Amino acid sequence: DAGVIQSPRHEVTEMGQEVTLRCKPISGHNSLFWYRQTMMRGLELLIYFNNNVPIDDSGMPEDRFSAKMPNASFSTLKIQPSEPRDSAVYFCASSLVGLGRWVEQFFGPGTRLTVL
Amino acid sequence: AQSVSQHNHHVILSEAASLELGCNYSYGGTVNLFWYVQYPGQHLQLLLKYFSGDPLVKGIKGFEAEFIKSKFSFNLRKPSVQWSDTAEYFCAGPSGAGSYQLTFGKGTKLSVIP
Repeated sequence: DAGVIQSPRHEVTEMGQEVTLRCKPISGHNSLFWYRQTMMRGLELLIYFNNNVPIDDSGMPEDRFSAKMPNASFSTLKIQPSEPRDSAVYFCASSLVGLGRWVEQFFGPGTRLTVL
Repeated sequence: AQSVSQHNHHVILSEAASLELGCNYSYGGTVNLFWYVQYPGQHLQLLLKYFSGDPLVKGIKGFEAEFIKSKFSFNLRKPSVQWSDTAEYFCAGPSGAGSYQLTFGKGTKLSVIP
């Protein structure tokens, strides 16, 4: 199993540009999570999908952020327009949950975003 | 809201010293708790997990954690640390009753001096 796959691994962009981060969860997992990690705020959950449906997006900072999961094997996190304060490492994680069953979240390698 | 708290922000130890990192959670009911490790520049990896049963849980790389319900604690331990254990350690648990989202503690950075 390849694990959770994220692309790109590094992204440097200028303020105002659109940024799209991509994630492929582990095959068979039904839940996908987007996190943001910064020195100041630690690890924050941005949005959580279950069976491709957004369940909780209360962590999305503002309207500039949007996330989609068109199918079980792909998700995107888009920032438009980007700002320097969006600079962070963005992690995607996937899990298999339901019917009271828990499986740990598996994390991808992350995308390090720098907005100049 | 249910929460997970870690007591130590940064711990510095010499090789072969024993390690204990504190973690407390705020909720009752069914408890699922996790410890993740993040090595420098890498992603989070699962160290160990507790779902039910034996409160002493053994994980990878010689780590273990003990679930103490009366103290709402899930402390991580290792009898003898190595330089390669230098990393950040995160405790995590469900965000709420019936929730499959995880709340992470702020993390504890461990520096092991050779």
